[in-house]
Amino acid sequence: EVQLVESGGGLVQPGGSLRLSCAASGFTVSSNYMSWVRQAPGKGLEWVSVVYSGGTTYFADTVRGRFTISRDNSKNTVYLYMNSLRAEDTAVYFCARASWDYDSSGFFYVDWLDPWGQGTLVTVSS
Amino acid sequence: QSVLTQPPSVSGAPGQRVTISCTGSSSNIGAGYDVHWYQQLPGTAPKLLIYGNNNRPSGVPDRFSGSKSGTSASLAITGLQAEDEADYYCQSYDSSLSAVVFGGGTKLTVL
Repeated sequence: EVQLVESGGGLVQPGGSLRLSCAASGFTVSSNYMSWVRQAPGKGLEWVSVVYSGGTTYFADTVRGRFTISRDNSKNTVYLYMNSLRAEDTAVYFCARASWDYDSSGFFYVDWLDPWGQGTLVTVSS
Repeated sequence: QSVLTQPPSVSGAPGQRVTISCTGSSSNIGAGYDVHWYQQLPGTAPKLLIYGNNNRPSGVPDRFSGSKSGTSASLAITGLQAEDEADYYCQSYDSSLSAVVFGGGTKLTVL
């Protein structure tokens, strides 16, 4: 069964750091695009980051320079490292496997997201 | 302000048909990138409902269908059931932002 399980969320002070983990089973993360999406309390979905199978990474403007994404192939796990956290980063963070396609210029991009993990809550507050 | 625009809410009686629109621009839907739809039941993670504009993953009832035209897309739900009450999100890719983009979400209420 294909499954994703996030962990690592919790309460952190503004300016602090946190590492989220996304453990995959039923497939290999290194052969797939893996993405993080967050949802602030009572709000909609916001894409955060993706790591391509080849290692290329992309970030949303709101987190670029503060967040990094990586994976440990031996543990079949993807990580989201969050630094300089702000109150507005408070959200449930979901990881998801991303399908991909390429456009007319040969650029590879994220298509749909499936499956999703159950999410882990990050609260940034003093 | 979401890149893709959805109505905040729609409603319908059991058995009726409802549609949810998703409007984008020339850098996302209008550029030819596919639209995907997700269903999020209260307190749960989003679930893929429609991919590639009009394809249903295994297990999704054929009451759900998607379409795309120009810079917009739509999700249609026929034969509304109480269990369809949820939030629905559209998603695509935006070449100007080099980012995955979502609609703001639409809350479906079954009357």
